[in-house]
Amino acid sequence: NAGVTQTPKFQVLKTGQSMTLQCAQDMNHEYMSWYRQDPGMGLRLIHYSVGAGITDQGEVPNGYNVSRSTTEDFPLRLLSAAPSQTSVYFCASRAQGGLSEKLFFGSGTQLSVL
Amino acid sequence: EDKVVQSPLSLVVHEGDTVTLNCSYEVTNFRSLLWYKQEKKAPTFLFMLTSSGIEKKSGRLSSILDKKELFSILNITATQTGDSAVYLCAVARNNDMRFGAGTRLTVKP
Repeated sequence: NAGVTQTPKFQVLKTGQSMTLQCAQDMNHEYMSWYRQDPGMGLRLIHYSVGAGITDQGEVPNGYNVSRSTTEDFPLRLLSAAPSQTSVYFCASRAQGGLSEKLFFGSGTQLSVL
Repeated sequence: EDKVVQSPLSLVVHEGDTVTLNCSYEVTNFRSLLWYKQEKKAPTFLFMLTSSGIEKKSGRLSSILDKKELFSILNITATQTGDSAVYLCAVARNNDMRFGAGTRLTVKP
C-alpha cells in the first residue's frame, strides 16, 4: 500500500524557474493538502482541496498554484521560484467527512531556491 | 488570530525519565486536537483528541485534552532513545489544520 507519494525528494532551482511538485494518493481520499515546513515555524498550510475540481487557499498561498483534476493527484506549482520558497514541502491527505481528522503525509520534498 | 503554541521548544532528558509536552491553542471552529511524531521526514500520527478529560494511551505515551482551558499535554514515561523526535501538536478546524512549532525531544542514553 503506497499511501501518499511525493516526487521529487530533492530539488534545487534558480530564482525565477518554475517547477511542479507531484503528489499522488491511493487511499481514495477526498481531502488533499500541501504544507511547507520551515525551522521554528512548524507546518503551514499552502493550499487544500476537498475533492476533484475544488481547491482553496490556506495560510501561505502566495507564489503557489494548485489544481485537482482527479481524486488521486494534487500537484503544487511554483510559477517563479524565490529564495523565500526554500523549504520542506509535505503533501497530506485524509478522508473527507466522518470523525477522523487524521492526516496521512508523504515523505516530503526538500526544495532549495538559489 | 488563530494560534497553536507548544512548550518547551526543546527538551533534553536521559533514558528512563518522564516528560510532559504542552500544547495550548486559540482556534476558531475547533474540531479536534492531534499529536504527531516527526523523526526524519514525514510526521506520523500518535493521537486524536476530541473530548475533554478522556485520556488516550498507547504504550508509554498518553495524552489528554482540556477544552475549557484550551490545552493538551503529551506524556511519555520511561523514555527511550527511540523517542527522540520532534513532537507536533495540531488543531483541526473545518477544512484545515493549524500546527504548532513543535517540541524537539532528545533522549540521551
